[in-house]
Amino acid sequence: ILNVEQSPQSLHVQEGDSTNFTCSFPSSNFYALHWYRWETAKSPEALFVMTLNGDEKKKGRISATLNTKEGYSYLYIKGSQPEDSATYLCAFRGNKLVFGAGTILRVKS
Amino acid sequence: DTGVSQDPRHKITKRGQNVTFRCDPISEHNRLYWYRQTLGQGPEFLTYFQNEAQLEKSRLLSDRFSAERPKGSFSTLEIQRTEQGDSAMYLCASSLEAGVGYTFGSGTRLTVV
Repeated sequence: ILNVEQSPQSLHVQEGDSTNFTCSFPSSNFYALHWYRWETAKSPEALFVMTLNGDEKKKGRISATLNTKEGYSYLYIKGSQPEDSATYLCAFRGNKLVFGAGTILRVKS
Repeated sequence: DTGVSQDPRHKITKRGQNVTFRCDPISEHNRLYWYRQTLGQGPEFLTYFQNEAQLEKSRLLSDRFSAERPKGSFSTLEIQRTEQGDSAMYLCASSLEAGVGYTFGSGTRLTVV
């Protein structure tokens, strides 16, 4: 059974703080690692699809890194804003996407 | 094309009733996926289609669950003889090929009372 772990489970930060989350996944049979943002009452939105060891991707204030050899990915948010409040999901792609339980981020203004 | 559409958004049903959900993917996407999400968990894979062929089905999917994608376009997920444990958010997603991010619908929230 594939295990994708995310930590922390939830995070409360002040507006302007920078923060990061961890996703751990199996290091064998790796095809890709996906990150999604899921705001309440909306659809999960794809942030990044990462495939190569050492990959770094950036989208505005959000960036992610990937280490396939040790089986982890970090998601960073610089200068958090209230609109960043959401659940951040990572998903390991073997022959299908297997999701972690997510990290719930709440940014207070 | 406005993305992936799911219908209905919410469904409340009595235990033992049958329910059917519909998903309309992005028209050029040949891959369609169904996931189920319960409180505190990430989405769990249920089944996936490439065009009209159902290529994989999770062991989570009991015989009461069936999914179809008859013409390789929209898909339906039917749950027969619903149980309280079936209460969850049912998400549909589509993609053009294997290596890209999925586009999700807003989900159907099922409550079995």
